[in-house]
Amino acid sequence: GESVGLHLPTLSVQEGDNSIINCAYSNSASDYFIWYKQESGKGPQFIIDIRSNMDKRQGQRVTVLLNKTVKHLSLQIAATQPGDSAVYFCADRRREYGNKLVFGAGTILRVKS
Amino acid sequence: DAGVIQSPRHEVTEMGQEVTLRCKPISGHNSLFWYRQTMMRGLELLIYFNNNVPIDDSGMPEDRFSAKMPNASFSTLKIQPSEPRDSAVYFCASSVADTQYFGPGTRLTVL
Repeated sequence: GESVGLHLPTLSVQEGDNSIINCAYSNSASDYFIWYKQESGKGPQFIIDIRSNMDKRQGQRVTVLLNKTVKHLSLQIAATQPGDSAVYFCADRRREYGNKLVFGAGTILRVKS
Repeated sequence: DAGVIQSPRHEVTEMGQEVTLRCKPISGHNSLFWYRQTMMRGLELLIYFNNNVPIDDSGMPEDRFSAKMPNASFSTLKIQPSEPRDSAVYFCASSVADTQYFGPGTRLTVL
């Protein structure tokens, strides 16, 4: 039957390769951005965040890049592993809305062994 | 350290019944958020509290939904009466600064 619901983009990568997951946001007033990883049957897990006064931040095997000019956010995962397979969500916060995060639809990352 | 705790993890009920979902935030966190996740609409914020006070409930779908936070370590989300379209995974999250930490969720099925 026909599937109904959000059609999430899928990124397939080979184990060991680098992954880049992209996200666009709409509001130039957004001041905080965050990436989450969600595995099947689990809650979203915090990966990394960045404030609008920065354009790059690095964590363990992950890097977030922020381009405020084109309102674009990306998550780079180095040496992708099978355990990285999940749905990845970006979210942004607009200070005038308090602590609310607005989530994107998500991207499915599949890692091929 | 214990993360956000939610109960029950799974709930199956019949249309018209009252459903109560429970959340214990991370100790020391002063903000608590209730989200709903469905295939159709993704992850949606329903309501959030700061220091036990509801700040924004604009995401609550209708009067059948209510949320309370009687103290800093406990919150409930109640649906009365429940309908099949309420079937979803409900997440609770808490924060002390910017980063929100999510619980494992409650999968609700309304028959």
